[in-house]
Amino acid sequence: DTAVSQTPKYLVTQMGNDKSIKCEQNLGHDTMYWYKQDSKKFLKIMFSYNNKELIINETVPNRFSPKSPDKAHLNLHINSLELGDSAVYFCASAAGGPGTGELFFGEGSRLTVL
Amino acid sequence: KQEVTQIPAALSVPEGENLVLNCSFTDSAIYNLQWFRQDPGKGLTSLLLIQSSQREQTSGRLNASLDKSSGRSTLYIAASQPGDSATYLCAVSWDSNYQLIWGAGTKLIIKP
Repeated sequence: DTAVSQTPKYLVTQMGNDKSIKCEQNLGHDTMYWYKQDSKKFLKIMFSYNNKELIINETVPNRFSPKSPDKAHLNLHINSLELGDSAVYFCASAAGGPGTGELFFGEGSRLTVL
Repeated sequence: KQEVTQIPAALSVPEGENLVLNCSFTDSAIYNLQWFRQDPGKGLTSLLLIQSSQREQTSGRLNASLDKSSGRSTLYIAASQPGDSATYLCAVSWDSNYQLIWGAGTKLIIKP
């Protein structure tokens, strides 16, 4: 009965490949986020979607493209993967508009680019 | 520059003790502050969210306080249990976009 679920949990791939990470929330929340955990274990926001509309698009390479088919899903597609993309990516959701409500996180997806 | 600091970085206490984790932040004009726990290899679990207009929040054995003027929040854990062992993270938002600034966390070990 997972609230925010991400798949896959682990992803190992070669440089130059294209991959996607999926995120689904069953909490009925309006806003979903993608965060990247950096080498210091800090989480930095990448994207925020509210009711399928992009609200935040922080300075990330345009190789990263979020897609929200409906408000319960926010998928992250990455083109032409680079070594520096290796990280743990966390999806989160919250009720209400951006910046409101308690954040609920998925378990993270560890991406390793070889 | 907006920063969040958590002290101590690690804490080990015997089971049953009450304890306090600290989070300090620069710039008192916060939007909200949230406490999370992270278990090894797992995601983040939200513990308590404090809006800027609130002074404290309580959930079970947990109590989080917020003092914006001094730039501090504390997480009080009563009657600690081994299951409380985890890394506790404090995250602060200074705007409605949920650009969170995170502390480095406090690794808590509760000894049986």
